[in-house]
Formats: sequence, C-alpha cells, structure tokens
Amino acid sequence: SQELEQSPQSLIVQEGKNLTINCTSSKTLYGLYWYKQKYGEGLIFLMMLQKGGEEKSHEKITAKLDEKKQQSSLHITASQPSHAGIYLCGADGRGTASKLTFGTGTRLQVTL
Amino acid sequence: DAGITQSPRHKVTETGTPVTLRCHQTENHRYMYWYRQDPGHGLRLIHYSYGVKDTDKGEVSDGYSVSRSKTEDFLLTLESATSSQTSVYFCAISEPAIPSSYNSPLHFGNGTRLTVT
Repeated sequence: SQELEQSPQSLIVQEGKNLTINCTSSKTLYGLYWYKQKYGEGLIFLMMLQKGGEEKSHEKITAKLDEKKQQSSLHITASQPSHAGIYLCGADGRGTASKLTFGTGTRLQVTL
Repeated sequence: DAGITQSPRHKVTETGTPVTLRCHQTENHRYMYWYRQDPGHGLRLIHYSYGVKDTDKGEVSDGYSVSRSKTEDFLLTLESATSSQTSVYFCAISEPAIPSSYNSPLHFGNGTRLTVT
C-alpha cells in the first residue's frame, strides 16, 4: 500500500516568515491533494496536482509536484495567523473513486 | 463544508453497544466515504460507496459496516463498539473522474467525535 511521509511533523514560524512542508510518497504519485484542517473541523481542500512538474498557487500558498522524486511541497509566503492549522497531503490510489491515502499531517503555528 | 452534515457531532457510548453514525449530503455526489482520524495514524479509509447499495471495504474495515439506501445518506455502524474505535470519524464525498482525467478531490464533513468507554 502507498505510504505518505510528511515533514516536518510540526512547525512554529513567526508571522511574515516563509515556510515549506514536504510530502514524500513510497510509490508513484498519480494525483496529489493538499488539505488544511483546523482543530475540531473537517478538512478543507486546497489544491490538486496531477502532472509531474505541475505548480499551482492560491493566494500565498504554492504547491509543486516532483514526479521523479515522488514528492510534493507546499510553500507559504509571508505567513499569517490565518495559515495556522494542520496540513495534510493525500495521494490518489487510482481506480474509479478517490480512495485517498493521507499523510499524518504537519501542524503549523504562526506566532505574532 | 460542501453540503455535508454528520450526526451526531459528539457521542459517548459504552463498550459492546451498537452505534450508527450518519452522513447526509445535499450535493448529489455519487461517491461517499468514511474515514477515521487518530493521532499518529492520520486519516484511514474505513468503507466507501460507489452508489446506492454499492459499497466496498477500505483499509480498516474490521468491526464496521455501512449502508447506502439513498444517494444522500451513508450510514456507518459499529455493531459492538470497542475502545479501539474511539476516534474522530469523517465522511467525505466526491464525483466520478472526467474521462482521461484524475479523480476529483474529496470534500469532507466536520466529523463525529466518538468515545467508547
């Protein structure tokens, strides 16, 4: 089965600083999904990457997919308190339904 | 929350009792899923459904059963709850992939926190 390892497991950054979260897969990535979760709430879909080399941005969050390295990175520029939460990557196991396998998450705290 | 309602939001039950969690969607999405989230394990798939009365097992299906009699409802049942089933349970929905494309992203409900004492 596919396994996803996220690093770091937790991160504390000062407001305004940049940060990067990595997600490495044990198998070929066919589709990579990034989600954000706030405490006590469900997961919010951020971005989906489908092709090697693909890069997507939404506001101050950029995600890239390196197919050869079987890795994706999530970069936040000029972090804000609103960016705090748990970031999870999910990988597509193919098939007719999105039976995603998830990493264990990266907990982000943004200090003032 | 993409029109997904999970009920109850919190439940405490005793070991050995049956428990049913409900997921209701208003999006008319074909696929529905049940995940559990535990510290150190992340999210793990319990069961999923391709459509009405069409379900299949995920990676941690032992001790759980599901039913889908209507497009909008997906029920998760713990026949005899155990302490190891204490967890946060998430329902998710998605649509079938467009031909020659990848699967659509999952959209999640807000979860049900279940405690088995």
